[in-house]
Amino acid sequence: GQSLEQPSEVTAVEGAIVQINCTYQTSGFYGLSWYQQHDGGAPTFLSYNALDGLEETGRFSSFLSRSDSYGYLLLQELQMKDSASYFCAVRSISSGSARQLTFGSGTQLTVLP
Amino acid sequence: SQTIHQWPATLVQPVGSPLSLECTVEGTSNPNLYWYRQAAGRGLQLLFYSIGIDQISSEVPQNLSASRPQDRQFILSSKKLLLSDSGFYLCAWTQGQGSFFGQGTRLTVV
Repeated sequence: GQSLEQPSEVTAVEGAIVQINCTYQTSGFYGLSWYQQHDGGAPTFLSYNALDGLEETGRFSSFLSRSDSYGYLLLQELQMKDSASYFCAVRSISSGSARQLTFGSGTQLTVLP
Repeated sequence: SQTIHQWPATLVQPVGSPLSLECTVEGTSNPNLYWYRQAAGRGLQLLFYSIGIDQISSEVPQNLSASRPQDRQFILSSKKLLLSDSGFYLCAWTQGQGSFFGQGTRLTVV
């Protein structure tokens, strides 16, 4: 099966940089993705890493090390609106060729003024 | 462009009553479709996924079932709801690297 671990809470101040780590165990690894979810809303896709290295999308960057089964999401120039839950998710190939997406339990990011 | 519709947004149902949540996708064909459930303050639990019409895989044994009668339609059902079925139900589909979610249905079983 698949399992993911990420911190439950992170707090940072506006303008700072924060890193949210994720370690995973899975078979048939296909990629690691990150999602943002504001209270009461649906998750929205942020980034995806299939290969080792850093992917940058504006203020957000995501990193993957497949040999370490580890990734992180880096948020720069934090803004109040970044307060949300952030989920890492492993995409894996299951029987039947469906690409399953298994989520971590989420990290609640609180940005303070 | 592709869109995903899920309804209703909120639902309050008594214990023992049936359930039917519907999800439809527009602007794509033969999508992989998923049903997730999220308990308050928790992560997303994969319930069912489907790679095509009438092709459903269940991840967690429970009193829920799913059906895919049409290519772009995915239905989550229950014959008799339990209190433990309360939660935030999300339909999703995959395109390329990302998964994209419907607005979700907040189900409260009373």
